[in-house]
Amino acid sequence: IAGITQAPTSQILAAGRRMTLRCTQDMRHNAMYWYRQDLGLGLRLIHYSNTAGTTGKGEVPDGYSVSRANTDDFPLTLASAVPSQTSVYFCASSDSSGSSNEQFFGPGTRLTVL
Amino acid sequence: GQNIDQPTEMTATEGAIVQINCTYQTSGFNGLFWYQQHAGEAPTFLSYNVLDGLEEKGRFSSFLSRSKGYSNLLLKELQMKDSASYLCAFMDSNYQLIWGAGTKLIIKP
Repeated sequence: IAGITQAPTSQILAAGRRMTLRCTQDMRHNAMYWYRQDLGLGLRLIHYSNTAGTTGKGEVPDGYSVSRANTDDFPLTLASAVPSQTSVYFCASSDSSGSSNEQFFGPGTRLTVL
Repeated sequence: GQNIDQPTEMTATEGAIVQINCTYQTSGFNGLFWYQQHAGEAPTFLSYNVLDGLEEKGRFSSFLSRSKGYSNLLLKELQMKDSASYLCAFMDSNYQLIWGAGTKLIIKP
């Protein structure tokens, strides 16, 4: 089934621990994104990648890192988790060569940092 | 600077019509998006406007005025399943999406 998947679905993490959120898409989209969604706030862009091998910083990149070794995968790493990183994380992808730049979202990862 | 604003919550009656407004300010603009998000789920695409005017898709339509910096999402013949949050976002000069906080739409029988 074509689409975008994320793992894990949810996670409870102790502060100070390292965590990698996984994201995979099979639509051959060139662009991928990581957002966090917090109550009362809009989706905020953490990092993005316009094509395999390149990444860029979004609005709230501090404490997060990403890599884009190939077209399909775009993992997000929290090097040393802090409670303020408790959030719902969405991965998204888009074909930026298309006419609408519509972004397709994964199901999300609910992360709690204690 | 850039900003985007939409109402926090709206209530409407099943079978009726509701209009959700979104205003934005930006120096670079490459289109406006509306997404639907049910509680606990991912956002899903509803519409995209890049030119002034109306885009219609079934019971949903979206209108854009670039000169006045706003978009409206119109939902007709409301159904209970339309209860969701509706997210407005514009694409800036770097082709990144800037998102509003979302409008929670409550449908009552």
